[in-house]
Amino acid sequence: GDSVTQMEGPVTLSEEAFLTINCTYTATGYPSLFWYVQYPGEGLQLLLKATKADDKGSNKGFEATYRKETTSFHLEKGSVQVSDSAVYFCALIINSGNTPLVFGKGTRLSVIA
Amino acid sequence: GAVVSQHPSRVICKSGTSVKIECRSLDFQATTMFWYRQFPKKSLMLMATSNEGSKATYEQGVEKDKFLINHASLTLSTLTVTSAHPEDSSFYICSASPDTGQPQHFGDGTRLSIL
Repeated sequence: GDSVTQMEGPVTLSEEAFLTINCTYTATGYPSLFWYVQYPGEGLQLLLKATKADDKGSNKGFEATYRKETTSFHLEKGSVQVSDSAVYFCALIINSGNTPLVFGKGTRLSVIA
Repeated sequence: GAVVSQHPSRVICKSGTSVKIECRSLDFQATTMFWYRQFPKKSLMLMATSNEGSKATYEQGVEKDKFLINHASLTLSTLTVTSAHPEDSSFYICSASPDTGQPQHFGDGTRLSIL
């Protein structure tokens, strides 16, 4: 079945450090890919998305490129801030019908000043 | 943009109580909504798919008599946790999408605590 694998956390970085959170997927169809962010005590917010190969999603300094050849969608940010501390979820959805998201297990990021 | 509203945000109640959680799509119609459950420091687990005008589809291991879902209109789905017990304490989140293949928009979640 379809699945998403994220790097294990937690990840602890100093402010202004470079961030990479790895995400790979397996899918029977042709998925759209997403990164969601969950701040403490809150629901999920869409961070960025990509719907086809080589698309780059970007938002708030975060970027991720849809790599079909490596089935990956790694999240990157050049300079993290304390306010980026949250749990990040990689997810996919198959573009056929109204189907639920398939989530990775989430990666907790803590940024320290 | 598309907004999903979830209510209440937090519930604390005694064991044996039934609790209803509402999920509304505020500016779009959703024939399908999804209910997830999240345990502390864990990922989201899909509980069920709520279908407007028909029965919900439950994931394996989720008790349909325990978690009643009603999707009576194109903008509202409700999840009722019946006769809740402490092990039902969790963070429940709903989501909906304006269109096929479009990003899911999530409610802010409901933190349920059963004493």
